[in-house]
Amino acid sequence: QQPVQSPQAVILREGEDAVINCSSSKALYSVHWYRQKHGEAPVFLMILLKGGEQKGHEKISASFNEKKQQSSLYLTASQLSYSGTYFCGTATSGTYKYIFGTGTRLKVLA
Amino acid sequence: KAGVTQTPRYLIKTRGQQVTLSCSPISGHRSVSWYQQTPGQGLQFLFEYFSETQRNKGNFPGRFSGRQFSNSRSEMNVSTLELGDSALYLCASRTGTGTNTEAFFGQGTRLTVV
Repeated sequence: QQPVQSPQAVILREGEDAVINCSSSKALYSVHWYRQKHGEAPVFLMILLKGGEQKGHEKISASFNEKKQQSSLYLTASQLSYSGTYFCGTATSGTYKYIFGTGTRLKVLA
Repeated sequence: KAGVTQTPRYLIKTRGQQVTLSCSPISGHRSVSWYQQTPGQGLQFLFEYFSETQRNKGNFPGRFSGRQFSNSRSEMNVSTLELGDSALYLCASRTGTGTNTEAFFGQGTRLTVV
C-alpha cells in the first residue's frame, strides 16, 4: 500500500518554512525521505526508525509518529536549493521492502 | 567512490519487443532495488535483490523480471513491451536489506515504447 503524501505541491518564498507529511495504512518499521531534482536521481535526506533513532541531513528535521503511522519532514528557512520533489519511503512490518509515496513537489522562489 | 551506474541512459523500443536494463551498484553494496517512475505515480517498487536472491517483489506483471549476479550487478528485463511501460527506471543500491540503510540511486534509464 503506497503511503500518502501531503500536500501534493507547495510554493514557498526563500526563508519560509514548510512541512511535508507522509501517512501509511500499515505499521511501519522505518520511514525514509529523499529529494529528487528535475532530471536527477533521488538523493537520501533522512531515515527515521521505530524507537526514535534518526540519521540524516543536518539542516533538515523530521518526526515519526509510530502510533499514527505518520512522518513529517520539516524544512525551515527554505533556500532555492530545496526545490524538488520529496518522496517518503516506508518499510512496513515484516517485509523490509521500501514503498515510496507519490511525492510532494516543492518550489522555492527568490 | 563511484556511484550507482545504470546503462543505457535512454532507450526507444517498439511495442512487443523486449528490453534489458543494467545496474552496477556501489562497490560493497549487496542489495539492489528497482523502481519504475512515471508522472503522478511516484516511485513504484519492482523488486529487490540481495546476494543473487530476489527478496521482495512489487505488484508488476510477470513480464518484468530481474536477476543479480555474483558481483552484485543487476539486470532487469521487460518482455512484450507495452506503451504503458514507458517510464524512468531507477535502481538503488544499499549495503544490506535492513530498514536503517539508505538507498543510493542511479541516474536511471528512460525507456520510451513506441
